[in-house]
Amino acid sequence: DIQMTQSPSSLSVSVGDRVTITCRASQSISTYLNWYQQKPGKAPNLLIYTASSLQRGVPSRFSGSGSGTDFTLTISGLQPEDFATYYCQQSFTTPTFGQGTKVEIE
Amino acid sequence: QVQLVESGGGLVKPGGSLRLSCAASGFTFNYYYMSWIRQAPGKGLEWISSISGTGNTIYYADSVKGRFTISRDNANNSLSLEMNNLRAEDTAVYYCARDPEGWLAYFDSWGQGTLVAVSS
Repeated sequence: DIQMTQSPSSLSVSVGDRVTITCRASQSISTYLNWYQQKPGKAPNLLIYTASSLQRGVPSRFSGSGSGTDFTLTISGLQPEDFATYYCQQSFTTPTFGQGTKVEIE
Repeated sequence: QVQLVESGGGLVKPGGSLRLSCAASGFTFNYYYMSWIRQAPGKGLEWISSISGTGNTIYYADSVKGRFTISRDNANNSLSLEMNNLRAEDTAVYYCARDPEGWLAYFDSWGQGTLVAVSS
């Protein structure tokens, strides 16, 4: 299986901050990388697919980049509703997820 | 709009069995791969199984292969997961999810989840 490693595991930020979360794959996955947001007690919600495509209905402050083994999710101007846990997921082979990054209020 | 509603979770003893269901609506069900993904309490997400729109192609994670069986009923827009020989480590919220690209690409719609607890 391809291992996905996210960093950091958690971060404390303020409303309006620019947030960057990274995801590293254990082998090259081209751009087969997706990002999800999950709030407590809720199902995950797709944000970004194939590394940089914004899912319909997701605010444009979310963006994704990267290819090969290194990927980034950026939130430009964090909003109160963005405090959540974020997961990356590779689809180069049978799906595997990163361990998650919890974005908390500073 | 797309709606996925899971049911069938509950408390079961180790070695026991359970059948989960997912009722789909708001889209042409037989066009889409469907998947089950689980999340142990306080943990991350684990993909466990997927099935093609026709039901002819099926994938399983190694952790459930030989114990779990995925199936679908396109006439009734439903997805199922038969779980046998359950273990404590199968305790999780189980989500059904839709794969819009058809090759285990990504999951654009999820149900609310159903909790399976395996304990004596």
